[in-house]
Amino acid sequence: GEDVEQSLFLSVREGDSSVINCTYTDSSSTYLYWYKQEPGAGLQLLTYIFSNMDMKQDQRLTVLLNKKDKHLSLRIADTQTGDSAIYFCAEVMGTSYGKLTFGQGTILTVHP
Amino acid sequence: EAGVTQFPSHSVIEKGQTVTLRCDPISGHDNLYWYRRVMGKEIKFLLHFVKESKQDESGMPNNRFLAERTGGTYSTLKVQPAELEDSGVYFCASSQIGGFGANVLTFGAGSRLTVL
Repeated sequence: GEDVEQSLFLSVREGDSSVINCTYTDSSSTYLYWYKQEPGAGLQLLTYIFSNMDMKQDQRLTVLLNKKDKHLSLRIADTQTGDSAIYFCAEVMGTSYGKLTFGQGTILTVHP
Repeated sequence: EAGVTQFPSHSVIEKGQTVTLRCDPISGHDNLYWYRRVMGKEIKFLLHFVKESKQDESGMPNNRFLAERTGGTYSTLKVQPAELEDSGVYFCASSQIGGFGANVLTFGAGSRLTVL
């Protein structure tokens, strides 16, 4: 079955790195995504990684994928107060075009 | 480029009433999706349109929910009659047609439904 889990809360100080973790159960996942939701806004795609990759870096964002452990993480370097938001990981299987399975979301709070 | 637009942003209705949510996808996007987040839980897939056709409606909870996409443009999601457990945020997303690579969905801001 499909199940994606995330820790619910993360609190960091401005300037520190944030690491948001996600585990999934479906080994046939093809793409894994990270979305960000700010208050009153929609889901904004931050980055995604193909399942045959181990790592993807995009400016302050680093995604690590451990397929053996079915573990995905998002590292935000030099976290800013503007990074405070809800972060969702999501997976999709190759046969389920656009049918994403989301985690519950991690609320990131960045303190000055 | 205009994003995905949803209306209303918030609707408060009483149990048993009817509500219709509207989604205008990005122009040219043939894929249109409905998702919802109930009670702070995970966001769940409801259904997927390709143009005006329902490609996958496996996530629709029951027959009180009716989704349409007239002419392959905007879509509506009607809940009739609404129940308390239907409260949540309904998200619409769209993407371009394509069979390979990551299917990048652009989401709207959501329509919050409160059923009293």
